[in-house]
Amino acid sequence: KQEVTQIPAALSVPEGENLVLNCSFTDSAIYNLQWFRQDPGKGLTSLLLIQSSQREQTSGRLNASLDKSSGRSTLYIAASQPGDSATYLCAVNVIKAAGNKLTFGGGTRVLVKP
Amino acid sequence: DGGITQSPKYLFRKEGQNVTLSCEQNLNHDAMYWYRQDPGQGLRLIYYSQIVNDFQKGDIAEGYSVSREKKESFPLTVTSAQKNPTAFYLCASSPQGLNTEAFFGQGTRLTVV
Repeated sequence: KQEVTQIPAALSVPEGENLVLNCSFTDSAIYNLQWFRQDPGKGLTSLLLIQSSQREQTSGRLNASLDKSSGRSTLYIAASQPGDSATYLCAVNVIKAAGNKLTFGGGTRVLVKP
Repeated sequence: DGGITQSPKYLFRKEGQNVTLSCEQNLNHDAMYWYRQDPGQGLRLIYYSQIVNDFQKGDIAEGYSVSREKKESFPLTVTSAQKNPTAFYLCASSPQGLNTEAFFGQGTRLTVV
């Protein structure tokens, strides 16, 4: 059974520092991996989707890497801002499923201090 | 605006009652999903539907029921058989096929009183 882990569970950094968020998964047979942002009491906002054939994906200050063989993905957020404070969730789309049957990690709660 | 609308935002249920959570999308997506989120935890899949009039159980379907009579709508009923229904419920949709992004609604917080 696929398991997704995000460590650390919480992270606090001063404004301007780069953020590094980790995601690991136990079964490398995935179709894709998505990173989401969740603000308190809100739904999820999709940040990046990395297909299994890709090594990385970039959007603005965000960069996500994927290493399927080692079961890891890393989300980098450059030059963090207080507005980046949120919970970040990664999710994998397993190869035996169709569509988006996502398996989620527990999330990393990020606080960027001004 | 295109998107996914969940209603209500907050819902209170008495013991033994069934309640229905609404999810509507105007993104013309074929697939729709219901997830449950408990405090400090990731999301767990309850039910999903890849096409109208068809749906499948997810990992934690016991005590829940769904219907998919229209492409735009995927309501979730939390029945009295669900012993611990207090949670944050999230609906999502995506185009059919692989390597497609999932889009989420703003959630419904259900509390048993």
